[in-house]
Amino acid sequence: GENVEQHPSTLSVQEGDSAVIKCTYSDSASNYFPWYKQELGKGPQLIIDIRSNVGEKKDQRIAVTLNKTAKHFSLHITETQPEDSAVYFCAASGYGSARQLTFGSGTQLTVLP
Amino acid sequence: EPEVTQTPSHQVTQMGQEVILRCVPISNHLYFYWYRQILGQKVEFLVSFYNNEISEKSEIFDDQFSVERPDGSNFTLKIRSTKLEDSAMYFCASSEGLAGGELFFGEGSRLTVL
Repeated sequence: GENVEQHPSTLSVQEGDSAVIKCTYSDSASNYFPWYKQELGKGPQLIIDIRSNVGEKKDQRIAVTLNKTAKHFSLHITETQPEDSAVYFCAASGYGSARQLTFGSGTQLTVLP
Repeated sequence: EPEVTQTPSHQVTQMGQEVILRCVPISNHLYFYWYRQILGQKVEFLVSFYNNEISEKSEIFDDQFSVERPDGSNFTLKIRSTKLEDSAMYFCASSEGLAGGELFFGEGSRLTVL
């Protein structure tokens, strides 16, 4: 089955700096890669996703890049703000009608004011 | 904004007891899911449900687990005889379908088995 590795497990940045979180996956059949933000006591919330026919996607301060050959994808947050502090999870799934996501282990991002 | 709602937010139970966790998915969504997160570990897929039947399930989802959509709005997860290792946060999620793609998660039900 799919295995998703995520690093770093913790990341502290100064407000205004960029943050990068990286994930690798094992199953070459995976073709959908979402990123979720989880705030304390809440469920995961999708912040951006990318499909395997796209190499990069951007939404304001958030971008995701995908390298299918190397089987890795990354989340980039620019101009970080204190409200970006949360746990971020990457995930992967294959083609199909049901989204059986395999999650990474999470990155605790702390943005220092 | 439509959201997935879950009850209870926290349940404490004795080992061996039955537990039912409830979810109300987003109303026009067709696919429903349960995931769980043991404290400090990854979020893990348990089961997906479509057209009133299980479409996929993981190894975790053994005979002690069952899911049901009893009344067209609720989606439930039942654990027949809880074990200590069932203690976790259980997340319900729903999606429109393949074209929609995005999973919307509820805020979770924390289950503590003593």
